[in-house]
Amino acid sequence: AQSVTQLDSQVPVFEEAPVELRCNYSSSVSVYLFWYVQYPNQGLQLLLKYLSGSTLVKGINGFEAEFNKSQTSFHLRKPSVHISDTAEYFCAVIVNSGNTPLVFGKGTRLSVIA
Amino acid sequence: DAGVIQSPRHEVTEMGQEVTLRCKPISGHNSLFWYRQTMMRGLELLIYFNNNVPIDDSGMPEDRFSAKMPNASFSTLKIQPSEPRDSAVYFCASSYLRGRYGYTFGSGTRLTVV
Repeated sequence: AQSVTQLDSQVPVFEEAPVELRCNYSSSVSVYLFWYVQYPNQGLQLLLKYLSGSTLVKGINGFEAEFNKSQTSFHLRKPSVHISDTAEYFCAVIVNSGNTPLVFGKGTRLSVIA
Repeated sequence: DAGVIQSPRHEVTEMGQEVTLRCKPISGHNSLFWYRQTMMRGLELLIYFNNNVPIDDSGMPEDRFSAKMPNASFSTLKIQPSEPRDSAVYFCASSYLRGRYGYTFGSGTRLTVV
């Protein structure tokens, strides 16, 4: 079965600084990878996804992530964060065949400090 | 499309009462998922349906919880009787192609059992 590890539960960062949120996964088969964002009192919103092709994926709000198969990682990055990026971020994985649901990490709380 | 619609947004009920949460998935999506989110346990998958058929309900915490999907455009999650420890935010999500393009989440129902 696949699993997802988000290495940091909380990440504080100053406004306009770069940020990287780390995600590692384990799976014996090929997977699709996702990042979701949850703003306070809202549902989860898809930020970006990796299905195939280029390993660098660009998403909404200036975020990007890089799929690294050898490292089994899918880290999320943004070169310059804003106060409005303060939220919970979830990494998720699903096998690209079969019928199993998305597996989510436990989330990383990004706090942007003015 | 209006997205995944959940109702009510907030529910406050007394212990022992029956609670029914409702979800309307995105038209054309054939999978539906119920999640529960708490500070202590994070995001938990309770049950999911494919083509209106329950596939895996192993995440349903107790027999007090039940879910139905009578047609492709409606699902309910019922708790009877409710207990204070059921207080949480309950999310519904839907997808197609078994979620390989990700899930779309509703805004959630915040349940408080007093």
